[in-house]
Amino acid sequence: DAKTTQPTSMDCAEGRAANLPCNHSTISGNEYVYWYRQIHSQGPQYIIHGLKNNETNEMASLIITEDRKSSTLILPHATLRDTAVYYCIVRVAGLAGTASKLTFGTGTRLQVTL
Amino acid sequence: DVKVTQSSRYLVKRTGEKVFLECVQDMDHENMFWYRQDPGLGLRLIYFSYDVKMKEKGDIPEGYSVSREKKERFSLILESASTNQTSMYLCASQGQGYQPQHFGDGTRLSIL
Repeated sequence: DAKTTQPTSMDCAEGRAANLPCNHSTISGNEYVYWYRQIHSQGPQYIIHGLKNNETNEMASLIITEDRKSSTLILPHATLRDTAVYYCIVRVAGLAGTASKLTFGTGTRLQVTL
Repeated sequence: DVKVTQSSRYLVKRTGEKVFLECVQDMDHENMFWYRQDPGLGLRLIYFSYDVKMKEKGDIPEGYSVSREKKERFSLILESASTNQTSMYLCASQGQGYQPQHFGDGTRLSIL
């Protein structure tokens, strides 16, 4: 799986958009980009994933550059409850009868402040 | 919403004990995983299963075994617990292909 690079930490004011970047310059054509977050002492929470098109769900938006070498997770109106470590992961889709693990890097620690 | 339920949030056991960690998912997913998470080491895959009664070793299977008798349930067994198995244990389930893995809340296991 391709390696990802994320900033160690970021701050965001409550109510503002949080834009979390991720670099995955060695991504290959069949690898998806996944975003998770982990709040202290809880299991990782799935946020969103995509292949090459931009994606949006009730939690966030995912913007993937045209060359797919980087992406940005956008939390449109950050709240204090969004304070967490955010992980960007690149993974090949598993074939039927197989499965592939997730490799979490160090992620970005997002601090949302009043 | 996908629900992955781990039987205990916190567990304290003694060295040498046989320990069972249970995980149940409600989405009829084929794939299930057991990871452990330690500070500075990230998530490490212990075992996974892609079907009932099927299992595959992950990166750190030593000292562990698993059981998957029913599709919705995946159990992790510490055959003879040791202090270096003190950790946060995370179960995940996943549908086919590119579907994301969904995690339980984790079990923080302490071996004394």
